[in-house]
Amino acid sequence: KNQVEQSPQSLIILEGKNCTLQCNYTVSPFSNLRWYKQDTGRGPVSLTIMTFSENTKSNGRYTATLDADTKQSSLHITASQLSDSASYICVVSAKGGSYIPTFGRGTSLIVHP
Amino acid sequence: NAGVTQTPKFRILKIGQSMTLQCTQDMNHNYMYWYRQDPGMGLKLIYYSVGAGITDKGEVPNGYNVSRSTTEDFPLRLELAAPSQTSVYFCASSSSGGAGGVGRETQYFGPGTRLLVL
Repeated sequence: KNQVEQSPQSLIILEGKNCTLQCNYTVSPFSNLRWYKQDTGRGPVSLTIMTFSENTKSNGRYTATLDADTKQSSLHITASQLSDSASYICVVSAKGGSYIPTFGRGTSLIVHP
Repeated sequence: NAGVTQTPKFRILKIGQSMTLQCTQDMNHNYMYWYRQDPGMGLKLIYYSVGAGITDKGEVPNGYNVSRSTTEDFPLRLELAAPSQTSVYFCASSSSGGAGGVGRETQYFGPGTRLLVL
């Protein structure tokens, strides 16, 4: 069964600090992995998309890494801001057949001033 | 551009009632999707469409129907509402081309419709 596990479930950090969120998956065969940011009461917003051949991708202060061998990804947030407070969701899609992505439950990040 | 718009924002239904959740995008995207998000759970794909007139089932299609008569609109129909359909529903769209293939492009989500079935 395809699964995506995210850790930690929640995280509280001080403004200006860095943090790293983790995503482990068992989806196979692997097609791509995406990270989304979801503000409370809003739809998810895409941060990064990585395919098998990509092991890092940045979007401003957000940097995602992918290790396809160990089936792990991380999202690193640099110099956090209050507006980074949100849920961060990891999504993994498999190749072939119908499109059915597997979403993680998300990591809830709170940035305190 | 308004992006992806959804109506209504919030709705309360009685068991057995029916309703249509509306979704419109103005980005000329070929691909459109419907997801549901239950509290504390990951989003799940209900249906998707790769173009007008073409729809396909996702992971949790039971109890729902869709149609795609135009590029812009992708309504989701609930025929006999059940408490298990209480959820937040998100519509999304993405362009075709580039690396190609469904799910390999940036998806743009709408603001969601909160549905409560009592």
